[in-house]
Amino acid sequence: EAGVTQFPSHSVIEKGQTVTLRCDPISGHDNLYWYRRVMGKEIKFLLHFVKESKQDESGMPNNRFLAERTGGTYSTLKVQPAELEDSGVYFCASSPMRLPVDYGYTFGSGTRLTVV
Amino acid sequence: AQSVTQLGSHVSVSEGALVLLRCNYSSSVPPYLFWYVQYPNQGLQLLLKYTTGATLVKGINGFEAEFKKSETSFHLTKPSAHMSDAAEYFCAASSVASGGSYIPTFGRGTSLIVHP
Repeated sequence: EAGVTQFPSHSVIEKGQTVTLRCDPISGHDNLYWYRRVMGKEIKFLLHFVKESKQDESGMPNNRFLAERTGGTYSTLKVQPAELEDSGVYFCASSPMRLPVDYGYTFGSGTRLTVV
Repeated sequence: AQSVTQLGSHVSVSEGALVLLRCNYSSSVPPYLFWYVQYPNQGLQLLLKYTTGATLVKGINGFEAEFKKSETSFHLTKPSAHMSDAAEYFCAASSVASGGSYIPTFGRGTSLIVHP
């Protein structure tokens, strides 16, 4: 089966610009998670979708970040306007609805965002 | 809130030597525990996981980890390091969150360096 796909793999934008990251989960996976890793620090949870609904968005840093998952398939994460501290690697993961901890979480390769 | 501590941001071993990467979690309720590995320019790959049952868990590539409830630890080991093991390793813990979902919490990662 195809894995979790993220694009772009790299993005360099100027402060104040807008960037949209995309994640295509494994087909049939209802759970979709976004994480971010700032250089040298832990991978931090941003939010969790169950199908098209936001189950938990407690990790979203501020209202410059907007995540959507229309139709319960792929998800986008938009940063507008981008700030320097938004730089990092954004990971997406998916898991099936039933027993995600038993199955594990499948991660994409990440999008490396650099804001200059 | 759940937290995961990985001791040592870098661990250096010689090829053929024992690998020991430390992970401690903070939780009054034993969580589900995971080790992920990230090779350069790739996504996070699941090495092994503990959910229930046997406390010694075997994973891929010869790695194993032991869940010790009394020490709140889940250290990762491999008897003999190989050059191809050089990567970054992340420990994660997952407990049930509000709403019944499981959100993995990650440590800061440990870079394993293998010398010839």
